[in-house]
Amino acid sequence: EAGVAQSPRYKIIEKRQSVAFWCNPISGHATLYWYQQILGQGPKLLIQFQNNGVVDDSQLPKDRFSAERLKGVDSTLKIQPAKLEDSAVYLCASSSGRGQRDEKLFFGSGTQLSVL
Amino acid sequence: GNSVTQMEGPVTLSEEAFLTINCTYTATGYPSLFWYVQYPGEGLQLLLKATKADDKGSNKGFEATYRKETTSFHLEKGSVQVSDSAVYFCALISGGYNKLIFGAGTRLAVHP
Repeated sequence: EAGVAQSPRYKIIEKRQSVAFWCNPISGHATLYWYQQILGQGPKLLIQFQNNGVVDDSQLPKDRFSAERLKGVDSTLKIQPAKLEDSAVYLCASSSGRGQRDEKLFFGSGTQLSVL
Repeated sequence: GNSVTQMEGPVTLSEEAFLTINCTYTATGYPSLFWYVQYPGEGLQLLLKATKADDKGSNKGFEATYRKETTSFHLEKGSVQVSDSAVYFCALISGGYNKLIFGAGTRLAVHP
């Protein structure tokens, strides 16, 4: 079974530039998550989708971050414009979305972003 | 609010040593508790979980017991191997929407 795919693996940009990350979840998984992991910290949830609808984006900095999952499959996370403090690993995860409270999340390898 | 606190790392051990990584939590309601592991160059993966008080999660020789009275979920292993070198994250879900809240992670380095 293919895992969660993310690209690119690494990205280096200058501040005020834009960047986009892509995620393809495990086939059939209804729930998709984007996490931000700053060096030395645990992952923090940015946004959670159930199919193509948003169920939680309370910690997404909406003035610069946006995400979409138009067809309920793959997803794109965008930052525009980037700031130095956005340097982090961006993790995508998916789960079956069958409604169990503690269903297992499957994580991709992440995209490491460096903002100079 | 809900939060998870882990012991700071790095933890450095010799092979076959006993491992404990402390984790305590603050949560409303009755959370489910998890340990995730991140091996070098790989994605986070679930190591074990416990969904109610006094439950013990176990996997690959690792164990953790859900202690409601001390709000703790400490990770233990009797004899670590070099291959256990990784970053370990304690996490919880409390409330709806399957929202995982992670601790800061503890890096474990095991030497031969």
